[in-house]
Amino acid sequence: ETGVTQTPRHLVMGMTNKKSLKCEQHLGHNAMYWYKQSAKKPLELMFVYSLEERVENNSVPSRFSPECPNSSHLFLHLHTLQPEDSALYLCASSQWSSGRSHEQFFGPGTRLTVL
Amino acid sequence: QKEVEQDPGPLSVPEGAIVSLNCTYSNSAFQYFMWYRQYSRKGPELLMYTYSSGNKEDGRFTAQVDKSSKYISLFIRDSQPSDSATYLCAPGGGSNYKLTFGKGTLLTVNP
Repeated sequence: ETGVTQTPRHLVMGMTNKKSLKCEQHLGHNAMYWYKQSAKKPLELMFVYSLEERVENNSVPSRFSPECPNSSHLFLHLHTLQPEDSALYLCASSQWSSGRSHEQFFGPGTRLTVL
Repeated sequence: QKEVEQDPGPLSVPEGAIVSLNCTYSNSAFQYFMWYRQYSRKGPELLMYTYSSGNKEDGRFTAQVDKSSKYISLFIRDSQPSDSATYLCAPGGGSNYKLTFGKGTLLTVNP
């Protein structure tokens, strides 16, 4: 595996389900990000982890719960989602240093549909 | 005023054309100016970026920033059908990791 991988690629869930999105980076980076991409809207930063510590929680509802067990893996746990949460969820990684953290490399995303 | 404005298009050009993609921004603290390319059903791919003002060239692609007018441009020379994608501008601050994305411009290059 190379780059940033995400599983599953597609997910359909009901509003009462609990599911998790997984991201893995193979780039030797030490920062990881979750973004949400909705139709006709810019990418929205949700969470940022640097060296496995959360440094950003961008006013995201508590029904989204991130987890970063090590610098290569990132999870997004989902529960009691709403239909408006349907979107493409993108994971990214970068080096955590001045001048490098902007170089973010994205995975292919998980297309989430909430019924 | 939105932090980053980008014309969503769609923009359709014939193969071989020169393409100009543009963004304007309002935050004068931005110092990094990233361009991402996103193919349909894929994640964004970092294409190139510039730091502060000026030009940067990479093959057929040239990124340009004019900080005085807060204007960001990406030029594609000799455009190819494989360039058909959505192009996202994403400026960012100095030592901060945050990128502010535009909505993206959908480009189609017709053979």
